[in-house]
Amino acid sequence: DAMVIQNPRYQVTQFGKPVTLSCSQTLNHNVMYWYQQKSSQAPKLLFHYYDKDFNNEADTPDNFQSRRPNTSFCFLDIRSPGLGDAAMYLCATSLNVEDTQYFGPGTRLTVL
Amino acid sequence: AQRVTQPEKLLSVFKGAPVELKCNYSYSGSPELFWYVQYSRQRLQLLLRHISRESIKGFTADLNKGETSFHLKKPFAQEEDSAMYYCALSYNNNDMRFGAGTRLTVKP
Repeated sequence: DAMVIQNPRYQVTQFGKPVTLSCSQTLNHNVMYWYQQKSSQAPKLLFHYYDKDFNNEADTPDNFQSRRPNTSFCFLDIRSPGLGDAAMYLCATSLNVEDTQYFGPGTRLTVL
Repeated sequence: AQRVTQPEKLLSVFKGAPVELKCNYSYSGSPELFWYVQYSRQRLQLLLRHISRESIKGFTADLNKGETSFHLKKPFAQEEDSAMYYCALSYNNNDMRFGAGTRLTVKP
């Protein structure tokens, strides 16, 4: 009965090698979010989609991109991962903006 | 499986009243628990973590391993405390589980 699913749970990539993280939802929510969480810090919002409308946070590096091909799926693409991009990446969904967010279990990214 | 349960989706109290947001968890190991808060139109923020045993904005939370709970409490709620509150569990070298959240409304 998982509602927000993230694959893979652990991802290892090499410095500079593009990587894609996946999120899917069974809630039919309009909004999907991507957060980056580094150790001992609060999750930092990277961007969100309201339906097909992409909303980038002002301080999200260009290295991070996202795609939402349909309601259920949203991808986080890191074009050239650096060592500083190693983190937990959390996906969340909500029916509408400012509604309760349902978080996925996260994908832990390691950059070698 | 690791799980975080926040039984109340909505909680409404009057200003000056005590407030308790409930959080229960299931995890067989040693948990690390957090409360996060998201005010309207603002980013998710860390409110407090159990290992620091601190009080932030008048809120406290005590880890009760016997009851597997980490309830968030404040003796006198203020209107500015109205927000969404998420309880979260960290395990296995910083994997995270978030609860479904409780929306707190403090009425004047």
